[in-house]
Amino acid sequence: DSGVTQTPKHLITATGQRVTLRCSPRSGDLSVYWYQQSLDQGLQFLIQYYNGEERAKGNILERFSAQQFPDLHSELNLSSLELGDSALYFCASTSSPGHGQETQYFGPGTRLLVL
Amino acid sequence: DAKTTQPPSMDCAEGRAANLPCNHSTISGNEYVYWYRQIHSQGPQYIIHGLKNNETNEMASLIITEDRKSSTLILPHATLRDTAVYYCIVRVNSGNTPLVFGKGTRLSVIA
Repeated sequence: DSGVTQTPKHLITATGQRVTLRCSPRSGDLSVYWYQQSLDQGLQFLIQYYNGEERAKGNILERFSAQQFPDLHSELNLSSLELGDSALYFCASTSSPGHGQETQYFGPGTRLLVL
Repeated sequence: DAKTTQPPSMDCAEGRAANLPCNHSTISGNEYVYWYRQIHSQGPQYIIHGLKNNETNEMASLIITEDRKSSTLILPHATLRDTAVYYCIVRVNSGNTPLVFGKGTRLSVIA
């Protein structure tokens, strides 16, 4: 158990819909990363937040957005869903980035199926 | 793109050492070598990392060549539960560097 929690575990929805994925980092971790894993693209970085602020952006679509709240949990919002958005979505957390050796610990993921 | 090259698959007999190679010939002086694994569709699990010295923890050992252009992850006594995809990743240890995953090595531990 990494200490990172994600809900829900599974999500089935239809094209055009909007969903929200939730991530709670390890206790004391300030930074949250979101990754997407699809069959054809592998594990890809989407976006990073640190203490409520966006820090880095990867291959995140404009239809996707994220935020980190004062209690440090993060939400990934996916809108206008397409079949190709079906994937596993993972979040990872770290402590203070840039201070010492930063290791990312991953949650169990949310499996999204768009029908 | 990932900066590492790994064999796509390997087999290992249960109880034997599993040696997973990784080539990172373009590694920079400030980049660390990280290893993660992913069992089935679970979240990637951190194994070990190192800069230039060999490292060992309760899960594995990491051997980095002197020129740092390649490394080997060693699982000393592989079990069936070690069957997974193993990812070798090079990255700097700064606050804004996400992990860049390649295709990894699919290790199958055989009874």
